[in-house]
This record gives sequence, C-alpha cells and structure tokens, in this order.
Amino acid sequence: EVQLVESGGNLVQPGGSLRLSCAASGFSFSNFWMLWVRQAPGKGLEWVANINQDGSLKYYVDSVKGRFTISRDNAKNSLYLQMNSLTAEDAAIYYCAKYHQYHFDRWGQGTLVTVSS
Amino acid sequence: QSALTQPASVSGSPGQSITISCTGTSSDVGGYDSVSWYQQFPGKAPSLMIYGVSDRPSGVSNRFSGSKSGNTASLTISGLQLEDEADYYCSSHTTSGTDVFGSGTKVTV
Repeated sequence: EVQLVESGGNLVQPGGSLRLSCAASGFSFSNFWMLWVRQAPGKGLEWVANINQDGSLKYYVDSVKGRFTISRDNAKNSLYLQMNSLTAEDAAIYYCAKYHQYHFDRWGQGTLVTVSS
Repeated sequence: QSALTQPASVSGSPGQSITISCTGTSSDVGGYDSVSWYQQFPGKAPSLMIYGVSDRPSGVSNRFSGSKSGNTASLTISGLQLEDEADYYCSSHTTSGTDVFGSGTKVTV
C-alpha cells in the first residue's frame, strides 16, 4: 500500500525556518517525480514545488522561489522541503504527493505550518 | 501562475447531474491533455477523481466524468448523491514545467 507521511510542521516566528519531511513507502520512490502542495486555512490548494526522480530538476511557484528548497533522498525514500524567511502567507497545511503522468495519484495526510509571533 | 478559474459553488438535488468548469489558457489547460480533478472533504487530504482529462482511477465511481474543449475543462457528476458533497479542484500541467490548481468549487447536494 502506498503511504506518504509528512512531518516537521510546527509553530515558527516570521522570518524563521522549518524543514518538512515526507516518508514514502509502498512504491518505488526513486522512479517518480514528487511534489509539495499547500493549503492555507479555509483556502484552496496551491502547488508549491516539484522534483524529478534524481533531484536534478526542480520547479517552484513564484511566491517561494529563493526561499524554499525541495530535495529528496532516494536511499531513505524521503522528500524534503526546506522553508526559509517564512511569512504569515506561508501558513498552511503542507501535503506531499506522488506525481505520475501529470497528476497527483497519492497524497499524504498533511503537516501544519503556523507562522506567528 | 494564476489559478485556473472554477465557479465558487455548484449545487444540485440528489439524482441530478452537475458540471463544474475549469478555465485556463493555452499555456496550461489548452496546451496539454493533463487536466486532473480532486475531491476533498473537510479536514482530509485531496483524492484523485479524474486524470488525463477523462480517465478514472480504479475505485472511482463512473458517475464522475471529465472532458475538455479548448482552454476549458469540465467535471460532470451524474446521479448526484449526498456523499458527493465536497470541494473539487482541477489541476493542469503548464508550459513552465509547473502545475496549477483551480480555485476550487464547493458542491452542495
């Protein structure tokens, strides 16, 4: 069974940093693009970043470019999101998802990031 | 990277059919046969309902169907049921190498 389990969400002050992790199991992790999607409280889904199978290609939504870094460790079947210079606009539930042929066929349960002083 | 445009809400009675539109541009919806649709219940993660414009994953009811014409994709739910009440989001790949979601539609039965 495919499982994606996010962790690392927390309360952080504006300007702070946080690293999210996503542990994958039940599929050949190294064969798939992976991505992060976020959802602010009461708002819609927002695509954040994706990464190809070997980590050589990465794309970001404009609002996080230069502040967020997506990475992966195929030996550990893990996906990461390093988030720096956090603002209130980054507060959201962050989901990791498995990407297959231009769609997201498996999602984690999400991890909550709160940005507040 | 503007969100695809969806109606904020759509409602229908049990047994009826409803259609949710998803409008983008030639750089996303119109440029790829990659539109997918997701169902999300409150407090839950989204779940894939349609991919590749009109394909259904195994386990998804055939009451859900998708189509596309030009820069607009559509999700139709036929034989509407109370359990279909949820938020629905479309998504499309873009020419920039990213993906973009729709603004979301709340379906009320």
